[in-house]
Amino acid sequence: AQSVAQPEDQVNVAEGNPLTVKCTYSVSGNPYLFWYVQYPNRGLQFLLKYITGDNLVKGSYGFEAEFNKSQTSFHLKKPSALVSDSALYFCAVRIKDRGSTLGRLYFGRGTQLTVWP
Amino acid sequence: DGGITQSPKYLFRKEGQNVTLSCEQNLNHDAMYWYRQDPGQGLRLIYYSQIVNDFQKGDIAEGYSVSREKKESFPLTVTSAQKNPTAFYLCASSIAWTGEREQYFGPGTRLTVT
Repeated sequence: AQSVAQPEDQVNVAEGNPLTVKCTYSVSGNPYLFWYVQYPNRGLQFLLKYITGDNLVKGSYGFEAEFNKSQTSFHLKKPSALVSDSALYFCAVRIKDRGSTLGRLYFGRGTQLTVWP
Repeated sequence: DGGITQSPKYLFRKEGQNVTLSCEQNLNHDAMYWYRQDPGQGLRLIYYSQIVNDFQKGDIAEGYSVSREKKESFPLTVTSAQKNPTAFYLCASSIAWTGEREQYFGPGTRLTVT
């Protein structure tokens, strides 16, 4: 079964410190991986994605993520957290199978990031 | 949220009533999706549509119905058969169903049924 896991419901970090939000996945083919952010009572905003190529991908607002195939992980990182980064973060995976038209996204349960001043 | 509108933002209904949530996009995207979000459960796919006049059930389609008569519109009806309809509903679209394209989300509709 295809799935994505975010092992931490909550991550707390001080402003200026580096942050990591974890994501692991389980798929039968080669994955496309995405990170989204959601502010209260709003829709999701796309942050970044891994499709192929360089394992380190850079996205919006200074975020980056590293694809690790051996550990089936795609952790979101930022070198220096801001209070405004406080939000709910979702990891998602899409399957990339040859000849398949199945392109749906599977979302994790989300990780609430809180950055305190 | 740009390009996708959902209305209304908040919706209140009595139990037993059907209610339709609106989703419109001006991004010229072929694919559209409806998700339900409950606290601690992430997003669950209700229905999706790859092209006009075609749609498929997602993981939790029971008690919901959709139509896709126009490319830009994908309304969701929450019927009285949905046992626990109170939730935050998100509509999304993408250029294509397959491939590496990300989904764009609307601002959501919070439905409360009492």
